[in-house]
Amino acid sequence: QKEVEQDPGPLSVPEGAIVSLNCTYSNSAFQYFMWYRQYSRKGPELLMYTYSSGNKEDGRFTAQVDKSSKYISLFIRDSQPSDSATYLCAMSKGNTPLVFGKGTRLSVIA
Amino acid sequence: EAQVTQNPRYLITVTGKKLTVTCSQNMNHEYMSWYRQDPGLGLRQIYYSMNVEVTDKGDVPEGYKVSRKEKRNFPLILESPSPNQTSLYFCASSRQGYTEAFFGQGTRLTVV
Repeated sequence: QKEVEQDPGPLSVPEGAIVSLNCTYSNSAFQYFMWYRQYSRKGPELLMYTYSSGNKEDGRFTAQVDKSSKYISLFIRDSQPSDSATYLCAMSKGNTPLVFGKGTRLSVIA
Repeated sequence: EAQVTQNPRYLITVTGKKLTVTCSQNMNHEYMSWYRQDPGLGLRQIYYSMNVEVTDKGDVPEGYKVSRKEKRNFPLILESPSPNQTSLYFCASSRQGYTEAFFGQGTRLTVV
């Protein structure tokens, strides 16, 4: 079983839709959970960061962590064509580098 | 502007010819790391460093070397590149632990 599982998509939605992206993981030692956005031919950029369980909201983005289920989610409200990118979940124990999911490619169609 | 700078951005080389990819950050971050990104495999750790002169192997260190002689620089060295090291490479830095990492723009390496 891979440490972090993420559906690669691709996922195609109409503009304005609510997008749900998620990852599951197997290592209960992970404490830090992140979502990165990666545009084509660019480096990943940090979108959301959560420590331990709970929800975090930033504008149109909401990150959720359920440690009991080993499941994290990213919701995008009122999706825009500019949200079209690959979304990578990442997690860490803190003292070791990030372990990434393989990424989900999202297309938001105007 | 806070940034992680990698050079070169693109490189085509031949098997066995030693090369170095440089990485520099201007945020005074303690932690730096190297990843490679391959289709279907995602981002995988190569080497990481939590401070000057302290480096550790990641998941795929074979064929790579690193050094951390200054806090801001973390070069990746391929002593004898092989075609299976053709990949997209990213350097990252972070202030506390390896979380909230800032990534460089990437180096696309092709070994023929």
